[in-house]
Amino acid sequence: EPEVTQTPSHQVTQMGQEVILRCVPISNHLYFYWYRQILGQKVEFLVSFYNNEISEKSEIFDDQFSVERPDGSNFTLKIRSTKLEDSAMYFCASRDDKVEAFFGQGTRLTVV
Amino acid sequence: GNSVTQMEGPVTLSEEAFLTINCTYTATGYPSLFWYVQYPGEGLQLLLKATKADDKGSNKGFEATYRKETTSFHLEKGSVQVSDSAVYFCALRVQYFGNEKLTFGTGTRLTIIP
Repeated sequence: EPEVTQTPSHQVTQMGQEVILRCVPISNHLYFYWYRQILGQKVEFLVSFYNNEISEKSEIFDDQFSVERPDGSNFTLKIRSTKLEDSAMYFCASRDDKVEAFFGQGTRLTVV
Repeated sequence: GNSVTQMEGPVTLSEEAFLTINCTYTATGYPSLFWYVQYPGEGLQLLLKATKADDKGSNKGFEATYRKETTSFHLEKGSVQVSDSAVYFCALRVQYFGNEKLTFGTGTRLTIIP
């Protein structure tokens, strides 16, 4: 069964460093998303991406964040200068024209 | 704006007990409604969905009915198992241009004891 794949599963980084979280969406999907879940809190929307551009972003998705689909298969989330409060589980999701989105297993980001 | 309110957790039940996790929503437009489940150490998996009023979503013995009159989508299961222990998230999506985000509730942690 097709699935969304995220790497790495766990990333530890020092405050101020750049991180790139990687996702391989399901191959025929058209809509891509990043969400995050701070430990013990709700899942929050970060950004949606369609037709090679951002279609919506939340207040959390400030200038420190960027997304890219560099080669038609990968979908990346970059955080330019990480802060302690960026520590969270980051989920990638993708969707075709149907209703439901499929999520990856997540990347746990720990900023120290 | 759109929002989802879920029953506060954690919830602890004995095996074979009846489960209800309440979920109510506020939405502009006509949302699709979802329950996602997160097993320990894993990502989010779609459990069931309903796209219009009075639809019933069902999967793995879980059911939820889209009630427009009460803006609710409560999750139920007649007889829970230890393997149902997980965090359950209610979510909605309002479609207007095709790329709309999911809005999640806070999640309800369910623990089933043998």
